Amino acid sequence: DIVMTQSPDSLAVSLGERASINCKSSQSVLYSSNNKNYLAWYQQKPGQPPKLLIYWASTRESGVPDRFSGGGSGTDFTLTISNLQAEDVAVYYCQQYYISPPTFGPGTKVDIK
Amino acid sequence: QVQLVQSGAEVKKPGSSVKVSCKASGGTLSNYAINWLRQAPGQGLEWIGRIIPTVDATDYAQKFQLRVSITADESARTAYMELSSLRSEDTAVYYCAGDLRFLEWPVNWFDPWGQGTLVTVSS
Repeated sequence: DIVMTQSPDSLAVSLGERASINCKSSQSVLYSSNNKNYLAWYQQKPGQPPKLLIYWASTRESGVPDRFSGGGSGTDFTLTISNLQAEDVAVYYCQQYYISPPTFGPGTKVDIK
Repeated sequence: QVQLVQSGAEVKKPGSSVKVSCKASGGTLSNYAINWLRQAPGQGLEWIGRIIPTVDATDYAQKFQLRVSITADESARTAYMELSSLRSEDTAVYYCAGDLRFLEWPVNWFDPWGQGTLVTVSS
């Protein structure tokens, strides 16, 4: 199985500032035939299911604010939340879908400083 | 987009089985592969398996292979996940989640998600 790791475990950021979350896969999730990274990001608030934010490592799901952006390639990826808002307090997960079984990172908790 | 509505919370004894349902509201199951995942208290997300309802094809994570059965009733627009030989470590919120791209690639991102079903295993 592909192992996903995330850093940091948690971070606290002031309102309006930027939060960056790192995600690393134990093997590349870049498919050379189409040059796509098989990596998604989710946001989960307490008591709610995960919400899809980004797929193909950098494509925002419809309706997701543009302050959320994804980047990276191969084995190293980043989710950036620019201009952090109070409603962004949540746990964020990355997920690889390159090889079955799909696997998730352990999550990064984002709080307001 | 279809909404997935799951059955209510369950409390089970060790060694017993639980069956959780996931109904498509506002659409059909046919467009999706339905995946099942779980999240133990305070923990991350774990994929259990999936079904393609149109062909009744299933695929399970090796960890659950011997204990899980995922089925679907297209006419009822409902998928089911049954987990047997329950132990305390199976206490978790169980989610169903759709995958629209299952014809293009074996596994994909998950959207939409059901609201989750808490299964508590306790003597």
